[in-house]
Amino acid sequence: EPEVTQTPSHQVTQMGQEVILRCVPISNHLYFYWYRQILGQKVEFLVSFYNNEISEKSEIFDDQFSVERPDGSNFTLKIRSTKLEDSAMYFCASSLERVNTEAFFGQGTRLTVV
Amino acid sequence: AQRVTQPEKLLSVFKGAPVELKCNYSYSGSPELFWYVQYSRQRLQLLLRHISRESIKGFTADLNKGETSFHLKKPFAQEEDSAMYYCALGQYGGSQGNLIFGKGTKLSVKP
Repeated sequence: EPEVTQTPSHQVTQMGQEVILRCVPISNHLYFYWYRQILGQKVEFLVSFYNNEISEKSEIFDDQFSVERPDGSNFTLKIRSTKLEDSAMYFCASSLERVNTEAFFGQGTRLTVV
Repeated sequence: AQRVTQPEKLLSVFKGAPVELKCNYSYSGSPELFWYVQYSRQRLQLLLRHISRESIKGFTADLNKGETSFHLKKPFAQEEDSAMYYCALGQYGGSQGNLIFGKGTKLSVKP
């Protein structure tokens, strides 16, 4: 069964460093998402991406964040200068359609900023 | 404001007992509601969507627009149902297309 895959599973970085979280969505899916979950809190939407551009972003997704689909298979989330409060589980998801369709989630990348 | 509320952080029941995981939502448009489940060390996966009106693994959920609820129910809980359950609201309108999650309820089914 096709799956969304994320790498790495755990990333530790120093405050102020840039990190890139990688995702390979399901191959025929058209919509891509990043969510995050701070420990003990709920899963929060960050950004959605369709047709090579951001279709929606939340208030969390400020100028520190960017997304890219560099080669038609990977979907990356870059955090330019990490802060302690960026420590969280980051989930990538993809879906075939936008409306009322199942979003398939990756296993997540645990980001720890020290 | 769009919001999903799951009032119980933890729900603990014995095997064979009925289960109801509560979910209330606040949304100005026509809601699309989902239940996602996360078993230990596994990824989030879709359990149910309201539009399908299906029963998965014995779970059902009915959208009650009057009470703005989408509670998840199962008549007889099994130990393998132990997991985190997230209620989610789909925001679809204009360019929107994302899920708003509740905080989740941890279901623990004891033998």
